[in-house]
Amino acid sequence: KNEVEQSPQNLTAQEGEFITINCSYSVGISALHWLQQHPGGGIVSLFMLSSGKKKHGRLIATINIQEKHSSLHITASHPRDSAVYICAVGPNTGTASKLTFGTGTRLQVTL
Amino acid sequence: NAGVTQTPKFQVLKTGQSMTLQCAQDMNHEYMSWYRQDPGMGLRLIHYSVGAGITDQGEVPNGYNVSRSTTEDFPLRLLSAAPSQTSVYFCASRVMGQNNSPLHFGNGTRLTVT
Repeated sequence: KNEVEQSPQNLTAQEGEFITINCSYSVGISALHWLQQHPGGGIVSLFMLSSGKKKHGRLIATINIQEKHSSLHITASHPRDSAVYICAVGPNTGTASKLTFGTGTRLQVTL
Repeated sequence: NAGVTQTPKFQVLKTGQSMTLQCAQDMNHEYMSWYRQDPGMGLRLIHYSVGAGITDQGEVPNGYNVSRSTTEDFPLRLLSAAPSQTSVYFCASRVMGQNNSPLHFGNGTRLTVT
């Protein structure tokens, strides 16, 4: 079983829809990261969180440590949100540098 | 700030050839790392460094060497390329000592080994 599982693998939405991407993990963590990979390949960090909720513009990330689960929400989706969204976790044992990545959720937002 | 700069963007090698993927960052980050990204798999850690003169193996280190002679640079060497090393490679850096510091990625190197 992978340590980090994302769902769904692929998601198609119409512009304006509310989107949720889920991430479940099986190990204790120090932090969870949400990343965005653009169609051109570049990867940017969206959020890091170890508890609660963070918001940046139309993006909201939540985490439930007890349930080992995080969600990334996009409100009022737009075609420019089309990308692959990747969840990664940093362990709370050993070096927190060794992130484990999910396989990503490919989001396509259409007009 | 240029951030994390990777070169080259694309490379084609023949089996057995060697090459070095370059990675440089200008943010004075202690931590630097190399990942490979393959279809259907998450990013996998190849090697990482927590400061100049210090390197360690990640999840998939075989066939790759690294060195960290300066804070800024962290080159990845393929000693004898194999088709299994066909992949997209990303370099990333972040501040050490802060578990909640974001990773900064380079734009990637697409490597094909024939």
